[in-house]
Amino acid sequence: EAQVTQNPRYLITVTGKKLTVTCSQNMNHEYMSWYRQDPGLGLRQIYYSMNVEVTDKGDVPEGYKVSRKEKRNFPLILESPSPNQTSLYFCASSPSGFYNSPLHFGNGTRLTVT
Amino acid sequence: AQTVTQSQPEMSVQEAETVTLSCTYDTSESDYYLFWYKQPPSRQMILVIRQEAYKQQNATENRFSVNFQKAAKSFSLKISDSQLGDAAMYFCAYRVGETSGSRLTFGEGTQLTVNP
Repeated sequence: EAQVTQNPRYLITVTGKKLTVTCSQNMNHEYMSWYRQDPGLGLRQIYYSMNVEVTDKGDVPEGYKVSRKEKRNFPLILESPSPNQTSLYFCASSPSGFYNSPLHFGNGTRLTVT
Repeated sequence: AQTVTQSQPEMSVQEAETVTLSCTYDTSESDYYLFWYKQPPSRQMILVIRQEAYKQQNATENRFSVNFQKAAKSFSLKISDSQLGDAAMYFCAYRVGETSGSRLTFGEGTQLTVNP
């Protein structure tokens, strides 16, 4: 089944403890990105990747890191999480960065930082 | 700034009736696509319908259709014969090309309730 898989689905952590949210897609998509969803703000892009080894900042990149060593994987790293990073996170992918490609989303990761 | 505005935080509709969700956007790009996504309580993001900005004909997908007014930068979603399963948060979004990061810019969302 074609899908974007995120793990974990729920994560509770404490301030400053490094964490990684994994994302993997099995559709051979070139484009991958991370979004965070907050009430009243919709979804905002954190980072994106046009292809392997090519990543760039989105609208809200502060406090996050990403890497794209393989085409299928695009982990999101929080080196020192803070409470303002408590949010619902989505990984998404599309065949290319062309604007007519709809994004396929993972099922989300609910992160709570205390 | 490139933005999407959904002016109705909440809407409700009776089962089998029709409802329209509004969306306006602002972008300086000439080429883009518009999308409506549905997010049920499972929080999965599901593509409902999409519209090419250079096409004047409004897109339709079964009970879902859009009213696209490019000059007014308006992109409303009409749901006909509403069903209980349509209850969800609906997000309007547009996607621009690679020169702008290919980002999907979302509105704030409209929570739709369907009453039996």
